[in-house]
Amino acid sequence: NAGVTQTPKFRVLKTGQSMTLLCAQDMNHEYMYWYRQDPGMGLRLIHYSVGEGTTAKGEVPDGYNVSRLKKQNFLLGLESAAPSQTSVYFCASSYQANREQQRPQHFGDGTRLSIL
Amino acid sequence: KQEVTQIPAALSVPEGENLVLNCSFTDSAIYNLQWFRQDPGKGLTSLLLIQSSQREQTSGRLNASLDKSSGRSTLYIAASQPGDSATYLCAVNRGYSTLTFGKGTMLLVSP
Repeated sequence: NAGVTQTPKFRVLKTGQSMTLLCAQDMNHEYMYWYRQDPGMGLRLIHYSVGEGTTAKGEVPDGYNVSRLKKQNFLLGLESAAPSQTSVYFCASSYQANREQQRPQHFGDGTRLSIL
Repeated sequence: KQEVTQIPAALSVPEGENLVLNCSFTDSAIYNLQWFRQDPGKGLTSLLLIQSSQREQTSGRLNASLDKSSGRSTLYIAASQPGDSATYLCAVNRGYSTLTFGKGTMLLVSP
C-alpha cells in the first residue's frame, strides 16, 4: 500500500540551482497538493491541482512551478532556489465528489530541502 | 483571510488522563474541518473529518466536535496513552479541499 510517495526524501542545494520534487499517488485521486511546513508557520499551500492537466495557485506560490501531466503524478519545481525555500515539502492527494464534499487528504512523508 | 488558531501550543499529561485540544477559526464559512496527527519526521495522518453539516465525529478514543457559528472545534482524547504523543493539527476547508492549517498542539503523554 504505497499511498503517496515523495522523492527525494532529502536534498541539499546551492542558491540558484534548480530541482524538481516528484509526488506519486496510486489511489486514483483527482486532487493533489503541495504544501511547505516551516517552524512557527504551520503548513501552507503552495499549489494544487483538481485534475490532470490543471494547476492552481495556493497561499505561497511565488518561486515555484508545478505540472500535472499524468493523473498520478504532481511535480513541484524550483527554478532558482533561494535560502528562503529551505523547508519540509509535503505532497497530498484526495478524492472529492464535489466542492463541498471533502474526503480526507492523504499525505506523503515529506521532502526535507536545504538551500545553502 | 482565514486564520486557524490552536490552543495550547504544547501539552504534557500523565498516561490515562482525558484531554481536550482546541481549534478556532476566524471565518465560519467553511465546508468542513479535519484533524490530523503528525509524528516527528513524518507526514500527516488524517484522524477525523467533520462536514459543515455535522456536529461531531468519533473514532475509537477520539471525538471531534464542530461549532461552525462560533468558529470552534475540539478534539477530545479519552484515556490517553504514550502512543498518542504527537503533534495534532486542525485544518479548515476553504473549497476544492484547499486547507488552512493551524500551527498544531504538541502532545506528550508520559507513562
